[in-house]
Formats: sequence, structure tokens, C-alpha cells
Amino acid sequence: SQTIHQWPATLVQPVGSPLSLECTVEGTSNPNLYWYRQAAGRGLQLLFYSVGIGQISSEVPQNLSASRPQDRQFILSSKKLLLSDSGFYLCAWTRDRGFGYTFGSGTRLTVV
Amino acid sequence: QKEVEQNSGPLSVPEGAIASLNCTYSDRGSQSFFWYRQYSGKSPELIMSIYSNGDKEDGRFTAQLNKASQYVSLLIRDSQPSDSATYLCAAQGGKLIFGQGTELSVKP
Repeated sequence: SQTIHQWPATLVQPVGSPLSLECTVEGTSNPNLYWYRQAAGRGLQLLFYSVGIGQISSEVPQNLSASRPQDRQFILSSKKLLLSDSGFYLCAWTRDRGFGYTFGSGTRLTVV
Repeated sequence: QKEVEQNSGPLSVPEGAIASLNCTYSDRGSQSFFWYRQYSGKSPELIMSIYSNGDKEDGRFTAQLNKASQYVSLLIRDSQPSDSATYLCAAQGGKLIFGQGTELSVKP
């Protein structure tokens, strides 16, 4: 069966510090991968998605970036965090369009 | 802009009642529809998918789709306190678009 791992679960970072969140999927190959952010009491905002190694599509302009160095690894990064980057970051995968997404357990990021 | 609209709630129902959650979508090209359950502080969990007009039942859950009206609903029969959560509707044509979610509270 397929599983998605996301870490760390919680993170407190000072403003201006770098960020690296990692997501890996097991039990499948060539998944479609997604990074979402959910602000407190808000809906899901799609940040990035990837349909293959090295392929990244950005949905919103911001100081975040994403990379996919391996087939089942998706990384979300920032060089300098802003207070507004605080939120619940979720990685998700699907095998193809129409199958629904499976979410990881999420990373709760607080920028102080 | 393509949107999915849900009543924000909270929707409060007594234990054992039927909870009805509704959703409309703007993209007529949407082909796949999903309901997710999100407990407070947790990630969303896929509970139902529906692709054709009509009803789809899975245990206490029934998803209903009406493409002509661009309307999706989720019925939860015999609601339990453990069903208390935020329910997210999502529609996919090209991209998967999520609604803001409806908070459901089931009172014992």
C-alpha cells in the first residue's frame, strides 16, 4: 500500500530564517505531488505541484520554492521566512487526475 | 475564477440525526468530486468520491451529485459525536479546487 510521510510535525522558526520541509511517498512510482498551505480557520491554498522529477509548477507568487530531486520526494523551501508564512503545510499525492488526493500528516509552522 | 462554495457553518445536529452538507461549483468542466473530513489540527482525509450523477453510498455516508445544477452534497446518517469535524468539498476539472469547508458539530 501507498504511504506518504511528511516531517517535521511542528516547527517554530524566527523571521528571516531558512525553511526546508520534506515529503516522501512510498509504494508507488511517478506520483503527482502537491504542497498546500492552510492558514488558521482558512481553506487550502495550493502552493506548488509536480507531475515528474524536476517539474515544478507554482500557483502563487511568494518567497517559497519547491523542488523534486527524486521521483517520490518533494521539498518545500524558503531562504528567508516571513511572519505571513505561518500556517499548516500539507503535502499530498495522487496517482493521476480523478483519483483524489491523499494528504500527509502536515507540518505546523509558526514564524516568530 | 473557478470556485467551490460551501456553507461555513457551524452546522449542529443531535446524535443520531442526519447531517446534510452542501457544495456548489462553478466549473462546468469538473468531472470528479470528493469529500474530505478534517479533524481539528489534523490533515484532510478522503471519505467519498463521486463521478456520475446520482447517489453513492458508503456505510453511513451518501454523496449526491447533480451536474446540471452544479451541486454536490454529503449526507451522514445516524450522526455520531465522532463525526464532528470540518468537511471539505472538492471538484476537479483540470486542477482540484477545494471549498472552504463546513464545520459539523454532533451533540450527544
